[in-house]
Amino acid sequence: EDQVTQSPEALRLQEGESSSLNCSYTVSGLRGLFWYRQDPGKGPEFLFTLYSAGEEKEKERLKATLTKKESFLHITAPKPEDSATYLCAVRRGGADGLTFGKGTHLIIQP
Amino acid sequence: NAGVMQNPRHLVRRRGQEARLRCSPMKGHSHVYWYRQLPEEGLKFMVYLQKENIIDESGMPKERFSAEFPKEGPSILRIQQVVRGDSAAYFCASSLNVGTSGLGTDTQYFGPGTRLTVL
Repeated sequence: EDQVTQSPEALRLQEGESSSLNCSYTVSGLRGLFWYRQDPGKGPEFLFTLYSAGEEKEKERLKATLTKKESFLHITAPKPEDSATYLCAVRRGGADGLTFGKGTHLIIQP
Repeated sequence: NAGVMQNPRHLVRRRGQEARLRCSPMKGHSHVYWYRQLPEEGLKFMVYLQKENIIDESGMPKERFSAEFPKEGPSILRIQQVVRGDSAAYFCASSLNVGTSGLGTDTQYFGPGTRLTVL
């Protein structure tokens, strides 16, 4: 059974304090690892897709990386507007639906 | 370019009633997915549909739940005889493609969700 574990469950940072969120996964035949951001009361907002180990993608203050067992979402010099729950999901070969982790609730204090 | 649209945004039903949730995919997308998010739980896949076809319903409860995506109109998730345990946020997502991994066309874009409350 596919498993996605995100850590930490919650993280509180000061504005400008860089950190990383972890997503560990167990999946047979990874076809893609996805990062989303979810604000309270809203739907997940797509951030990145990573397909193979060694791949990296960047967008503004966020950078996602992928190894064979885990992915990291690095956040550099975060701002209060980066506060949200960050979700990691995987898709395996032969499946259509995504398997999600429970998310990391990130709070950036001014 | 409008994103994925869902309605209603909030739905209140009494036990035993039927709930109908609607989803219109992004323009040009013909693949629709439904997910459920229970309080304090992660998003759980329910069903994947293409126009007029259910492709994968492995995450759908065996009873009371059904889904369709007709040739014309939105996709509908129907829950019959709702119970309190059905209270959750239901999200719809759509993608341009499914099989072309590596090009980003299989990325699923989510709607704002329908929050179902069963009294």
